Amino acid sequence: AQRVTQPEKLLSVFKGAPVELKCNYSYSGSPELFWYVQYSRQRLQLLLRHISRESIKGFTADLNKGETSFHLKKPFAQEEDSAMYYCALRGRGSNYKLTFGKGTLLTVNP
Amino acid sequence: EAGVAQSPRYKIIEKRQSVAFWCNPISGHATLYWYQQILGQGPKLLIQFQNNGVVDDSQLPKDRFSAERLKGVDSTLKIQPAKLEDSAVYLCASSTGWTVLDNSPLHFGNGTRLTVT
Repeated sequence: AQRVTQPEKLLSVFKGAPVELKCNYSYSGSPELFWYVQYSRQRLQLLLRHISRESIKGFTADLNKGETSFHLKKPFAQEEDSAMYYCALRGRGSNYKLTFGKGTLLTVNP
Repeated sequence: EAGVAQSPRYKIIEKRQSVAFWCNPISGHATLYWYQQILGQGPKLLIQFQNNGVVDDSQLPKDRFSAERLKGVDSTLKIQPAKLEDSAVYLCASSTGWTVLDNSPLHFGNGTRLTVT
């Protein structure tokens, strides 16, 4: 079975502070990991995926297979980063479905 | 490009009534997904279509939920009869493919918020 755990429901930081949203997963194999984001009154959308090794809006995430983690990081948070963030895992083969964590609500205070 | 369209945006029904949701995916997207998102939780996959065939419906409560995508384009999700615990946002998403070689992301609609009283 595949499972995604986001241990923090809420995370509050000040503008300019570093932010890290935690994500741990359970999957027997090599999964694909994603971060999706939902800004207020907008639809859920892809932020980044581990295979692309890209930085989007200053956010990065590194897949750590040893710790089965895929934490999302940004060195200097901005107010516009306030949103709901979901970590998601896609298995392979017959388990090729996208499983989401429960999400973390990030609030960046001025 | 036009996004994933869903209707209605909101629906309030009494328990034991039936309800249907409609989704029109992005043009050319072969794969269509229905997710259920209960308040405070992440989206949970109900059913996944590849064109007009079902790829995964393992988490669909088949005694009351049904979905179809007859022509491989738009889709409807039906609940009959509804229970109080069905209150949730129902999200439709689409992507271009589904194989392990396809890394296409999911594009989500705005969702339908269902309240069962």
